[in-house]
Amino acid sequence: GDSVTQMEGPVTLSEEAFLTINCTYTATGYPSLFWYVQYPGEGLQLLLKATKADDKGSNKGFEATYRKETTSFHLEKGSVQVSDSAVYFCALKTGANNLFFGTGTRLTVIP
Amino acid sequence: NAGVTQTPKFQVLKTGQSMTLQCAQDMNHNSMYWYRQDPGMGLRLIYYSASEGTTDKGEVPNGYNVSRLNKREFSLRLESAAPSQTSVYFCASSGRGPDIVGVENEQFFGPGTRLTVL
Repeated sequence: GDSVTQMEGPVTLSEEAFLTINCTYTATGYPSLFWYVQYPGEGLQLLLKATKADDKGSNKGFEATYRKETTSFHLEKGSVQVSDSAVYFCALKTGANNLFFGTGTRLTVIP
Repeated sequence: NAGVTQTPKFQVLKTGQSMTLQCAQDMNHNSMYWYRQDPGMGLRLIYYSASEGTTDKGEVPNGYNVSRLNKREFSLRLESAAPSQTSVYFCASSGRGPDIVGVENEQFFGPGTRLTVL
């Protein structure tokens, strides 16, 4: 079945450090891929998405490239800020009316 | 616009009690969803409603029922709560129109309901 595997956390970085959170997927067909972010006490918000191979999603300095050959969608940011502290979820959608989520990666950025 | 709202924010139940979680959206979205979030498991879909008048089971529907009351509202009912249903429940909505492959309707999430079953 469809599934997402993402990097176990928690991840702790100093401000301005480089961030990578790994995400790989298994899916039939051609999924759309997403990164969602959950700030403390809030619901999930869409951070970025890519709907076909080689697409790059980007938002708020975060980027992820849809790599069909490695079935990956790694999240990157060049310089993290304290305000980026949150839980990040990788997700996929294959045309059915729902999302399959990874287990989430908690990021803490310290000043 | 309030987006997606959920009530209550917190609830404690005893085993065997029943309750209904309420969800409403003001974005004129067609589709609505209920997820549960458990530690180390990510979010899992309980039920969804692709349009007013329809509901379908998701990945973990056992022990739950849903009602799509109208286009705005989608409720989740626990008829006889069990400790295994202790979780955070999120409602989401998407799409003014049908999903088209390659053009995804973003799902918008509510703030969640934290439910504890003793």
